[in-house]
Amino acid sequence: AQSVAQPEDQVNVAEGNPLTVKCTYSVSGNPYLFWYVQYPNRGLQFLLKYITGDNLVKGSYGFEAEFNKSQTSFHLKKPSALVSDSALYFCAVSPWTYKYIFGTGTRLKVLA
Amino acid sequence: NAGVTQTPKFRVLKTGQSMTLLCAQDMNHEYMYWYRQDPGMGLRLIHYSVGEGTTAKGEVPDGYNVSRLKKQNFLLGLESAAPSQTSVYFCASSLTSGGTDTQYFGPGTRLTVL
Repeated sequence: AQSVAQPEDQVNVAEGNPLTVKCTYSVSGNPYLFWYVQYPNRGLQFLLKYITGDNLVKGSYGFEAEFNKSQTSFHLKKPSALVSDSALYFCAVSPWTYKYIFGTGTRLKVLA
Repeated sequence: NAGVTQTPKFRVLKTGQSMTLLCAQDMNHEYMYWYRQDPGMGLRLIHYSVGEGTTAKGEVPDGYNVSRLKKQNFLLGLESAAPSQTSVYFCASSLTSGGTDTQYFGPGTRLTVL
């Protein structure tokens, strides 16, 4: 079965430190990969996506993600975390033309 | 642009009651989607539409129906609500194929079925 895993329910990081939110996937072919963020009581907002090309993708709010084909991973990173980055982060993978598979989400808590 | 809007924001139903959730987008997007979000399960696709007048089943379609009579609107219906349908419902849209394009999400509808 095709799936997306976000192995950490919650990640805590001190403000100013680098952060990583992990995502691995198991799908056939060459899927498109996405990261979305959800703030409390809001819908999801697009952060970045990987289609092809450079393995390091830059997105909104200083976030970037590294695609690793051999490890089937697409980890979200930021060099210096802000308290305002605290939110729920979703990885999504698209093995089909019309649809995503979402991970279960990782809650990021940035401590002042 | 309002983007993607959802009506209502909150609703409480009794088991067996029916209701319709309305999603509207003003971005002229072809593709629209209904998801439900449950704790620890991420978002799961209920139904989707690839254009006006067309709908298709997603991952968890049972107990729901949809209609896309106008390009800008996508309605999600619950004919006989059950407690298992207590969830937060999100509508999304994308300009082109949703698997390759960015999806834009509405603010959500929190539904409780007693």
